[in-house]
Amino acid sequence: DAGVIQSPRHEVTEMGQEVTLRCKPISGHNSLFWYRQTMMRGLELLIYFNNNVPIDDSGMPEDRFSAKMPNASFSTLKIQPSEPRDSAVYFCASGQPNSPLHFGNGTRLTVT
Amino acid sequence: SQKIEQNSEALNIQEGKTATLTCNYTNYSPAYLQWYRQDPGRGPVFLLLIRENEKEKRKERLKVTFDTTLKQSLFHITASQPADSATYLCALVRSSNTGKLIFGQGTTLQVKP
Repeated sequence: DAGVIQSPRHEVTEMGQEVTLRCKPISGHNSLFWYRQTMMRGLELLIYFNNNVPIDDSGMPEDRFSAKMPNASFSTLKIQPSEPRDSAVYFCASGQPNSPLHFGNGTRLTVT
Repeated sequence: SQKIEQNSEALNIQEGKTATLTCNYTNYSPAYLQWYRQDPGRGPVFLLLIRENEKEKRKERLKVTFDTTLKQSLFHITASQPADSATYLCALVRSSNTGKLIFGQGTTLQVKP
């Protein structure tokens, strides 16, 4: 089992550009979560899916952020347009409902 | 508003001692609580889960307690080792129906040889 796979590992982009982060959850896991981590705010839940359906997106900061899960093995988090304050580490995690989460190693995003 | 509080200051202890980390929460009645370990440049890794009707859980050198009256969980590492140095995060699920997992900010533990 390769675990949760996120790509890219690092992303550096200029303000105003579109950024797409990708996640492949562990096969068989029904829940998928996107988190953002910064020194100031810690690990914040952005959105989570159950069986590919978005359940709670109340943590998505604003309309510039969107997430999709077209099938059980793939999810994307898109930021358009990106801003310097979006700089953070973005984590994807998967699991079964009410079970521990398995995290990827994150995407470090830097917006200049 | 709902809050999860962990000691923001780093905890420094000597090898062999017991490390105790605290997680306090307000305005929650969590269905269960989890503890994770995070190393630099990596994602959090699950350690232990304790449910609202459980007082204590153990796994090897790790012990977690859960006091729903005090709204507090304590995480203990006995016979600590330098390899235990990491950031430890507590996380709560408010309702088992949603599985929505909310994290505290974490406490960094440094074990000195």
